[in-house]
Amino acid sequence: EVHLVESGGGLVQPGGSLRLSCAASGFTFGTYWMHWVRQAPGKGLVWVSRLRGDGRYILYADSVKGRFTVSRDNAKNTLYLQMDSLRPEDTAVYYCVREDDWTGDYWGRGTLVTVSS
Amino acid sequence: SYELTQPPSVSVSPRQTASITCSGDQLGKKYVSWYQQKPGQSPVLVIYQNNRRPSGIPERFSGSNSGNTATLTISGTQAIDEADYYCQAWDSSTLFVFGAGTKVTVL
Repeated sequence: EVHLVESGGGLVQPGGSLRLSCAASGFTFGTYWMHWVRQAPGKGLVWVSRLRGDGRYILYADSVKGRFTVSRDNAKNTLYLQMDSLRPEDTAVYYCVREDDWTGDYWGRGTLVTVSS
Repeated sequence: SYELTQPPSVSVSPRQTASITCSGDQLGKKYVSWYQQKPGQSPVLVIYQNNRRPSGIPERFSGSNSGNTATLTISGTQAIDEADYYCQAWDSSTLFVFGAGTKVTVL
């Protein structure tokens, strides 16, 4: 059974950094594209980043480009999101999502990031 | 940037049919997925590639996509279907773009 478990969220001050992790299990992690999607409190879903299985092809939403860095360790079955220069508008639940058949077929439970002084 | 438009809310009586639309420029040329999200839970995929249903999703959920509009249809709506529903379009130019979501209320 596919499981995606995010961790690393918390309270951080504006301008600070945070590193999120997503532990994957139940599938061959290195063969799947993975995404980060976020959802601000009471708001809709917003795509953040996409990463190919070998880690060599990466895309970011304009809102996070230059501040966020996505990576993966296929030996550890783990996806990461390094978030720097955080802003209050980055406050959201961050979901790890597996892509298959041109869709997000499995989602983690999410981890909450709060950017506030 | 590409935008998808959904109605903010849809109300439906139990056992009736709910239709949720998602509009975007030439949307019919793109793959559309639909996700269900209940309060405090993660989104769940209910339709992908316009009209395909993942295993475990009830047959009352169906999808279509043509022209500029995709539609999620819930036939014989049940109280457990009350949730937010998000459409998402995908192609090489739009990547993952989500609609703003539609709150389905079962009256």
